Amino acid sequence: GQQVMQIPQYQHVQEGEDFTTYCNSSTTLSNIQWYKQRPGGHPVFLIQLVKSGEVKKQKRLTFQFGEAKKNSSLHITATQTTDVGTYFCAGSNTGNQFYFGTGTSLTVIP
Amino acid sequence: KAGVTQTPRYLIKTRGQQVTLSCSPISGHRSVSWYQQTPGQGLQFLFEYFSETQRNKGNFPGRFSGRQFSNSRSEMNVSTLELGDSALYLCASSPGTSGFTIYFGEGSWLTVV
Repeated sequence: GQQVMQIPQYQHVQEGEDFTTYCNSSTTLSNIQWYKQRPGGHPVFLIQLVKSGEVKKQKRLTFQFGEAKKNSSLHITATQTTDVGTYFCAGSNTGNQFYFGTGTSLTVIP
Repeated sequence: KAGVTQTPRYLIKTRGQQVTLSCSPISGHRSVSWYQQTPGQGLQFLFEYFSETQRNKGNFPGRFSGRQFSNSRSEMNVSTLELGDSALYLCASSPGTSGFTIYFGEGSWLTVV
């Protein structure tokens, strides 16, 4: 079956440092989505990538979709304490069923 | 626009019992998906319903079942509860067409004792 792996599982950074999480799929994806889950909360949609090599930015967040559409990354520049949470990627090859990565838990040390 | 509503938010059940969880999607959304979230396993896909039909199914035993009503509301049922079923059960709502955004509810915390 389809698998979506995400690394690292945990990341502790000093406030102001950068952070990157990587997502890899065993199969080619039609699209990939990224979600953020704050402690005690539920996943909230951040962005969707569809095109090969696509790069999208949201303020300090940069999302990339690999050329082969099998991997993706989320990069946060100059982390803030409000960035704390778990970041999930979710890949799909059908468009209507998403497989979530294991998530990367980000801790930002003030 | 109201969000995804899940009930109950918290519940405690005994091994061997069954439980039914409810989800009301965002108005106009026809697809409802269910996920199980545990600390060790992350978000595991249970099943997805679209227009009252199960369209996709994850790798869970038959004890886990669901249904969707004509108003798009959905229920999931877990029979013969096991300790390992303790988890956060998340419902996700979407229009159901390709490339859609999933909107999650706050979840139902199930503890099996």
